[in-house]
Amino acid sequence: DAGITQSPRHKVTETGTPVTLRCHQTENHRYMYWYRQDPGHGLRLIHYSYGVKDTDKGEVSDGYSVSRSKTEDFLLTLESATSSQTSVYFCASSDAGLPQYFGPGTRLTVL
Amino acid sequence: GENVEQHPSTLSVQEGDSAVIKCTYSDSASNYFPWYKQELGKRPQLIIDIRSNVGEKKDQRIAVTLNKTAKHFSLHITETQPEDSAVYFCAASKGGNMLTFGGGTRLMVKP
Repeated sequence: DAGITQSPRHKVTETGTPVTLRCHQTENHRYMYWYRQDPGHGLRLIHYSYGVKDTDKGEVSDGYSVSRSKTEDFLLTLESATSSQTSVYFCASSDAGLPQYFGPGTRLTVL
Repeated sequence: GENVEQHPSTLSVQEGDSAVIKCTYSDSASNYFPWYKQELGKRPQLIIDIRSNVGEKKDQRIAVTLNKTAKHFSLHITETQPEDSAVYFCAASKGGNMLTFGGGTRLMVKP
């Protein structure tokens, strides 16, 4: 599973609070991704990184920011969480962009 | 951008029967097509992928076929077993590092 971990695995927070999710990989992969998974929508790309400090937006980036200061870590931040951001968040990584290997996921509930 | 549609959304088969899941994509420049299996509460796991220079690929009981002219690809599972029960996702990429996923198919294999 490409040595990918995510933390926390579960989080409950309140509307308006900041939230940071962490993805850590031990494969020295260049590319890292954040997806959200919602019923009926499959997996949708939020942001991705193609190197340290190099990031770009995905399909559903509004309300999210990311940072990558080390090869192994990719952080996803919700500056002010909303109920529409309740979802399961998956991180993925890849050596060459494709294929991508997923982490175990973080279930986020925004009340 | 790319759009991937997946059918059916649910599929129920008897153990030992075959299962077929179909996906269509919109961007003729797409050239990489992976399939992921996701068991309940687990991460999506890559089970097979195909590139556009190949029409069919097999791995034991699973196979993927690609029709570039019609812009569709299919996952075939033969001799289904209860452990094949899961949600299956198709995806497409133009060869960079962006994946667009279908909405998923819930496969139920009845013993």
